[in-house]
Amino acid sequence: NAGVTQTPKFRVLKTGQSMTLLCAQDMNHEYMYWYRQDPGMGLRLIHYSVGEGTTAKGEVPDGYNVSRLKKQNFLLGLESAAPSQTSVYFCASSRRLAAETYEQYFGPGTRLTVT
Amino acid sequence: AQSVSQHNHHVILSEAASLELGCNYSYGGTVNLFWYVQYPGQHLQLLLKYFSGDPLVKGIKGFEAEFIKSKFSFNLRKPSVQWSDTAEYFCAVNFYGGSQGNLIFGKGTKLSVKP
Repeated sequence: NAGVTQTPKFRVLKTGQSMTLLCAQDMNHEYMYWYRQDPGMGLRLIHYSVGEGTTAKGEVPDGYNVSRLKKQNFLLGLESAAPSQTSVYFCASSRRLAAETYEQYFGPGTRLTVT
Repeated sequence: AQSVSQHNHHVILSEAASLELGCNYSYGGTVNLFWYVQYPGQHLQLLLKYFSGDPLVKGIKGFEAEFIKSKFSFNLRKPSVQWSDTAEYFCAVNFYGGSQGNLIFGKGTKLSVKP
C-alpha cells in the first residue's frame, strides 16, 4: 500500500496563476482532508470530505476549492494564487474506527511558493 | 472556539535529558488526542494517540503521554532524549460533536537536542 500520496511535491507559481494539487489514497478511507502548514501556526484545516461527491469548509477555506469525484482522490484547487498561499499543503485520509473516533494518515506534503 | 495550546515554542535539551512537552485544549467534552512528530523535511508521523481507557499512553520511540481530564491536558514525555529526536512536535485534538474526524492542531514545539 502506498498510503496517502500527493502530487506535485514542489511547485512555484506566479501571482494569479492557477493550479490543482492531487491527493490519492489507497486505503479505501471515506474521509479526506486538506491542511496547510505555516511556520508558527501548526496545521490548519482548509477543506474536508466525508465521502465521494461531498466537501465541506474547514477553518481557512478562502481562496481554495476542492472536489471529490472519486473516493480515492481529493483535489485542492487554487484559482488565482496569492503570495499568502505560500505554504506546505498536507493531505490526510481517515476511517471511522468507532463513533466519533477517527485516525488520520498524512501524505508527504506539497511545498508551494507563490511569487 | 475550540483550540489547542502548546506551551513551548522551542525547547533545547542535551542528550539524555528528560523531556516534557505541554498540551492543553479548550473544550470540556469528550476528545480524542494525538501527538505527531515531524522530522526536518518530512511529513507528520503519529507518535501516539488516546481514544479511551488508560490515561497513560505509550507510543513509538519511547514516548508516552498522560491524559489528565481535569486539567484538559495531554503532555508528552520521554525519559531520555536522543539527538535523533530533534524534530517538531504537534499536539492535535479531535473534539466530539460532529467533527467528522477533523483535527485541531497546536502550533507545534520545536525540539533541538544537542549531542
